Amino acid sequence: AQSVTQLDSQVPVFEEAPVELRCNYSSSVSVYLFWYVQYPNQGLQLLLKYLSGSTLVKGINGFEAEFNKSQTSFHLRKPSVHISDTAEYFCAVSERGSARQLTFGSGTQLTVLP
Amino acid sequence: GAVVSQHPSRVICKSGTSVKIECRSLDFQATTMFWYRQFPKQSLMLMATSNEGSKATYEQGVEKDKFLINHASLTLSTLTVTSAHPEDSSFYICSARDPGMGYNEQFFGPGTRLTVL
Repeated sequence: AQSVTQLDSQVPVFEEAPVELRCNYSSSVSVYLFWYVQYPNQGLQLLLKYLSGSTLVKGINGFEAEFNKSQTSFHLRKPSVHISDTAEYFCAVSERGSARQLTFGSGTQLTVLP
Repeated sequence: GAVVSQHPSRVICKSGTSVKIECRSLDFQATTMFWYRQFPKQSLMLMATSNEGSKATYEQGVEKDKFLINHASLTLSTLTVTSAHPEDSSFYICSARDPGMGYNEQFFGPGTRLTVL
């Protein structure tokens, strides 16, 4: 079984400041890792994914994440946030090589303040 | 990229009625679709996995007679909430997996807000 922990339920940050949203996972097998963003009353949009290869993954909207196998983490970062980045962010994991479904973290509400 | 649509986006119904929500993959054939439920300020909870041409697999605690899932074609899955009650009010999101991709990325629909009065 796998699980995902998002350590911060809410992260307020001022516009143009850097931000890091934390995600840790637990799994007995190798995994794929994802970050999704959800705007109010909308579905989920994929920000980025880690499948293999380079541990630093770049996604849309200037976001990036780094896979750290030893710490079982996949933290999301952005060097300078905008008001439009205000949204809910979900980290998710799925097992490699299987048809198993995604397991989501509890989400982090990022609020960018003017 | 792969696009998934849901219809309706919002529905309000009276208690005791049934509501059908459609999930369509618009530019790919999805052998597997997923149905999630999301309560306010909470994460997505998987309700069931829908496989084309076979019975859906429900997660523990989800009433299969309450939430009927049909995946009759490679581009359409439906979720019917039968005899809806106020506690069924929620945001329902579907997703679909493109079998042409070698990993487990899911493409999500925009969600359906169900309000049962």
